[in-house]
Amino acid sequence: AQRVTQPEKLLSVFKGAPVELKCNYSYSGSPELFWYVQYSRQRLQLLLRHISRESIKGFTADLNKGETSFHLKKPFAQEEDSAMYYCALVGGAGNNRKLIWGLGTSLAVNP
Amino acid sequence: GAVVSQHPSRVICKSGTSVKIECRSLDFQATTMFWYRQFPKKSLMLMATSNEGSKATYEQGVEKDKFLINHASLTLSTLTVTSAHPEDSSFYICSARVGNHEAFFGQGTRLTVV
Repeated sequence: AQRVTQPEKLLSVFKGAPVELKCNYSYSGSPELFWYVQYSRQRLQLLLRHISRESIKGFTADLNKGETSFHLKKPFAQEEDSAMYYCALVGGAGNNRKLIWGLGTSLAVNP
Repeated sequence: GAVVSQHPSRVICKSGTSVKIECRSLDFQATTMFWYRQFPKKSLMLMATSNEGSKATYEQGVEKDKFLINHASLTLSTLTVTSAHPEDSSFYICSARVGNHEAFFGQGTRLTVV
């Protein structure tokens, strides 16, 4: 079964502390994984995708196929990072391609 | 990035009436649009996937006759909540995708049924 698991509903850290938002997946093929972010009163937006291997706003995420994980990390959290973070996996093919979502993790960065 | 616009952003309607929510891709043609429902402090629930010119594919448990989806053009999809009831009150979000590229999200519509 295709599934994305984000075990933490809420993660609270202090400004300047490292942060890691966990994401594990279950997928039979070669996965395509994303992190989306939703800031307060704003729309969902793409943060990063594993195929790009990029760093956005200081965040990185590495696909670990052995552990079936795609954890999101940032070495020094900022208050403006406070948001809802969703890990997602693309499942299906062709017109049936769709995002399979984790339940999300609410990150609170305290001053 | 591309822009997806939802209208209205907020609507209050009486129980038993129908409400239409529009989702437009403003600067690109969307081959596929998705409709989600988001519950407070919870994740997105995919309701249906619509491809332009064909019938929408509904997720299990989503009533087709209750949530009518029309994707008449490559830039417009509509979700009509028919005979709305208070339990339909929610935040509805659309997203649009072109080909296999990333999906872009609308700002969402807060529906309140009184």
